[in-house]
Amino acid sequence: DGGITQSPKYLFRKEGQNVTLSCEQNLNHDAMYWYRQDPGQGLRLIYYSQIVNDFQKGDIAEGYSVSREKKESFPLTVTSAQKNPTAFYLCASSSGTDTYSGNTIYFGEGSWLTVV
Amino acid sequence: ELKVEQNPLFLSMQEGKNYTIYCNYSTTSDRLYWYRQDPGKSLESLFVLLSNGAVKQEGRLMASLDTKARLSTLHITAAVHDLSATYFCAAEAVTNAGKSTFGDGTTLTVKP
Repeated sequence: DGGITQSPKYLFRKEGQNVTLSCEQNLNHDAMYWYRQDPGQGLRLIYYSQIVNDFQKGDIAEGYSVSREKKESFPLTVTSAQKNPTAFYLCASSSGTDTYSGNTIYFGEGSWLTVV
Repeated sequence: ELKVEQNPLFLSMQEGKNYTIYCNYSTTSDRLYWYRQDPGKSLESLFVLLSNGAVKQEGRLMASLDTKARLSTLHITAAVHDLSATYFCAAEAVTNAGKSTFGDGTTLTVKP
């Protein structure tokens, strides 16, 4: 089945540690995204990539890093510089704009990160 | 910078009633998306609106787009409990195609 796979689903991080969230898609989409969602709030864009080996900062990139070495993979590292990382992280992808579906974004199941 | 505002943010309604969720955006955009999120789950796409006057319907939900007013609406007809969820709209600026900005979401609770 085509889709977006995020792992792990639940992750606990000690203060001062870096952690990496995995995101893989087999939809052959060019664009990939990372969003952060805090409880009861909307989505905020962390980073996005519209093509392999290129990515741009979103609205809240500080304390995060990404790479896009392969089309299907877009891992997110939450560094120790991110002061309040406890949140729900959503990876997403899209085919880019087209006539019929625009830029519909398809989401993974999400990863819950908790700082302990 | 594109800003997207939804209202209301919280909506409690009785089964069988009708209601409308509003989504306003701040800059020129002709691409508007609606998504649904169940508690603790991911988002799924509901509607894609790609031109002024576009109207899409699926079951008890109908979405429309007025690009001149910079407004999209999500109308709920004869609500049922299964529609309880959080609904997000997202818009793309014409100058930044491919990057959607999301509203804060409307949490809908349908009560018997």
